[in-house]
Parts: sequence; structure tokens; C-alpha cells
Amino acid sequence: NAGVTQTPKFRILKIGQSMTLQCAQDMNHNYMYWYRQDPGMGLKLIYYSVGAGITDKGEVPNGYNVSRSTTEDFPLRLELAAPSQTSVYFCASSYSSTGSYEQYFGPGTRLTVT
Amino acid sequence: GQNIDQPTEMTATEGAIVQINCTYQTSGFNGLFWYQQHAGEAPTFLSYNVLDGLEEKGRFSSFLSRSKGYSYLLLKELQMKDSASYLCAVREDSGYSTLTFGKGTMLLVSP
Repeated sequence: NAGVTQTPKFRILKIGQSMTLQCAQDMNHNYMYWYRQDPGMGLKLIYYSVGAGITDKGEVPNGYNVSRSTTEDFPLRLELAAPSQTSVYFCASSYSSTGSYEQYFGPGTRLTVT
Repeated sequence: GQNIDQPTEMTATEGAIVQINCTYQTSGFNGLFWYQQHAGEAPTFLSYNVLDGLEEKGRFSSFLSRSKGYSYLLLKELQMKDSASYLCAVREDSGYSTLTFGKGTMLLVSP
């Protein structure tokens, strides 16, 4: 299994541009998450999904959108990129929200908005 | 809301034992996780506690006291490769529960 994969690894955007961060998992996990991590800060939840067709906002959803058309894929869309969105973005998945089902993280996408 | 506190940085010597503390204040509680994150890499799962007491896994142990809102991660026989950030995360007891992470504790292990 490849686990959780993310593309691209690095990206530089100009202010006002848009892009989609891709995330896929091959573990048949029903839960998927998007986090951002700023230097010296913990992970902040942007959006999450409990299954195909179901998404919900996390702590910091403004400026982002998501979709979940399949169990495997959970892309994150940035519209009108702003310097405040410069961060490292991690996608994660888990089998369930309860029990000891830990979240598995992808390698991250390092995004710079200038 | 949730408030999770961890020390920002800690230093220790190779071969020693170090304890990283985490305190939390939450409206509900349904488990506490510890993750390890090396610089430039993704977090990886270390341990999970939902009941009071100590969970041991090799050189790593994690303790939980729900009444005190307190957990610690104990690392024994420290190795240089243990230099990393250690993230404490709490899951609230809600329908579609998610994790709230602390800011992490950067551990530097020196020779």
C-alpha cells in the first residue's frame, strides 16, 4: 500500500491565483482530513470528511474548499491565494473517528504565496 | 473549545530518560494521542490513551490522568534519532470527533 499520497510536494503561487492540492489514500479509510501547519504551531484542522459525499468545516476553513466524490480522494481547493495561506498542508486519513484508530498522514505540500 | 499546553522545547542527553508533559482543558474527552514529527516530515503515531494509567510500547510510554487533564510521554534510553517534535492531540467526545493538536514540544537529544 502507498498509504496517503499528496501532490505536489512544493508549490509557489502568486497572490490571487488558485490551485488544488491533491490527496489520495489506498487503505479504504472512511475518514479524511486536511490540516495546515505554520512554524512553531500545531496542526490546525481545515476540513474533514466522514465518507464520500460528506464534508465539514474544521477550525480554519476560510479561503478553502473541499470535495469527496470517492472514498480514495480528498482534494483541497485554494481560491484567490493570499500570503496568509503560506503553510505546510497535510492530508490524513483514519478508519473511523472512534477507538484507537490513529490518523495516517501524507508527506505534506509546502506552499508559498507571494 | 479546547486548550492544550505542552512545553515548547526540551533538551536531553543520549541514553537518558525524558518526560514530555501535556495538559488539556476540554468540554469532552474521548482519547489522547501522541505523535512524533521529524523536521520536514509528516507526523507519525506513537501512542493512544483513553483510560487512566500507563501504556508501554518499547522505549516509549504514555500516561493519562483524566481527572487532572494530564498526560505525559516518557522516552527511555534516548537516541539521537529521537530528536523531533512531539505532538499531543485530544479527541473530544462528539459525534464526528476530530483531533485538536497542541503546538508540539521540540526535543533535542545531544551526545
